[in-house]
Amino acid sequence: HSVLTQPPSVSGAPRQRVTISCSGNSSNIGNNGVSWYQQLPGKAPKLLVYYDDRRPSGGSDRFSGSKSGTSASLAISGLQSEDEADYFCGAWDDGLNGPVFGGGTKLTVL
Amino acid sequence: QITLKESGPTLVRPTQTLTLTCSFSGFSLSTFGMGVGWIRQPPGKALQWLAIIYWDEDVRYSPSLRSRLSITKDTSNNHVVLTMTSMDPLDTATFFCARTVTTGCFDFWGPGTLVTVSS
Repeated sequence: HSVLTQPPSVSGAPRQRVTISCSGNSSNIGNNGVSWYQQLPGKAPKLLVYYDDRRPSGGSDRFSGSKSGTSASLAISGLQSEDEADYFCGAWDDGLNGPVFGGGTKLTVL
Repeated sequence: QITLKESGPTLVRPTQTLTLTCSFSGFSLSTFGMGVGWIRQPPGKALQWLAIIYWDEDVRYSPSLRSRLSITKDTSNNHVVLTMTSMDPLDTATFFCARTVTTGCFDFWGPGTLVTVSS
């Protein structure tokens, strides 16, 4: 099982807003920045958010991250069909002395 | 433009050693704070971090796989090599290399290479 916990799936209609949660503990999310990745089918992960809520240069503002305590969330607004993908959260874990990931959440656009 | 690409065998026999090379461009592994890591993903499953090597030769390994992994870098030729011993069919996965400049975050990824372990 993964160190960080995500729901297996979420869904939403076009133009709606959805959120994906990521739960950890004081060794990872509670003490380090959270990153979020989008993985389209058959492709490599793509960084969407880092340091909890920062977007990479050129990143879409439809994706936003937040964190409270040992949990984090990714919000996707204005859902589009091309947003259908797997989404993973990640964070450094001080106990394992390395990065850890969530189990991934499959987003379906209805 | 930053790019990374993995190369190596697509089929490995059980008990053999896997050697993968990450060739990158657009950045230098001699730059302060820079690192390159390896992450694998079994078919249909989650990402699993394997190893990271940093600009200052510091290396980190996944505790559960530490005894089987080795990561090295060739800064002059912009390569990072991962070796994984005692391969098992359960190690079948797509292996990615990725750049890290922020703790726990990978900002650029290679396309990945699928390695199948089978006799």
